[in-house]
Amino acid sequence: DSGVTQTPKHLITATGQRVTLRCSPRSGDLSVYWYQQSLDQGLQFLIHYYNGEERAKGNILERFSAQQFPDLHSELNLSSLELGDSALYFCASSVTQGWGDEKLFFGSGTQLSVL
Amino acid sequence: DAKTTQPNSMESNEEEPVHLPCNHSTISGTDYIHWYRQLPSQGPEYVIHGLTSNVNNRMASLAIAEDRKSSTLILHRATLRDAAVYYCIPLFNYGQNFVFGPGTRLSVLP
Repeated sequence: DSGVTQTPKHLITATGQRVTLRCSPRSGDLSVYWYQQSLDQGLQFLIHYYNGEERAKGNILERFSAQQFPDLHSELNLSSLELGDSALYFCASSVTQGWGDEKLFFGSGTQLSVL
Repeated sequence: DAKTTQPNSMESNEEEPVHLPCNHSTISGTDYIHWYRQLPSQGPEYVIHGLTSNVNNRMASLAIAEDRKSSTLILHRATLRDAAVYYCIPLFNYGQNFVFGPGTRLSVLP
């Protein structure tokens, strides 16, 4: 158990809908990262939050947004869903700002299926 | 971002050592070399990381070439639970827009 909690584990929805994925980082970790893993694209970085502030963005679509709340949990919002958004979404956390001498701890992921 | 080259797949027998290679010839001097693994149906899991010197922990050892252009993850005694995809990632900061890449799929035979 990594200590990172993601809910829900599975989500099935229809095209055009909006969903929210939730992540609780390990106790004491200030950074939260979101990744998308699809069969043909590997594990791709979406966005990084540190202590409530956005720190870095990857290839995150404009239809996607995220935030980190004062209690440090994070939510990833996906709107106007398309079939291609079906993927595993992972959240990870680290102690501070994500420098190379830190470790990432990953949750078990949310499997999103868009029908 | 530093580009990495890893074998697509490797096979090992249970209780034998496994050496997983990674080439990262374009690595920056400030990049740490990280290894993560992903077991089936799970999120990636940290294995080990280092900068210049060889590193050991309870899971594995990391051997880093003197020129840092390659590294080797060593599992001293492979178990069935070690069957996973292993990712080698040189990085300076996790906020970089990097992709974990295809990694090496390790199969462990009983």
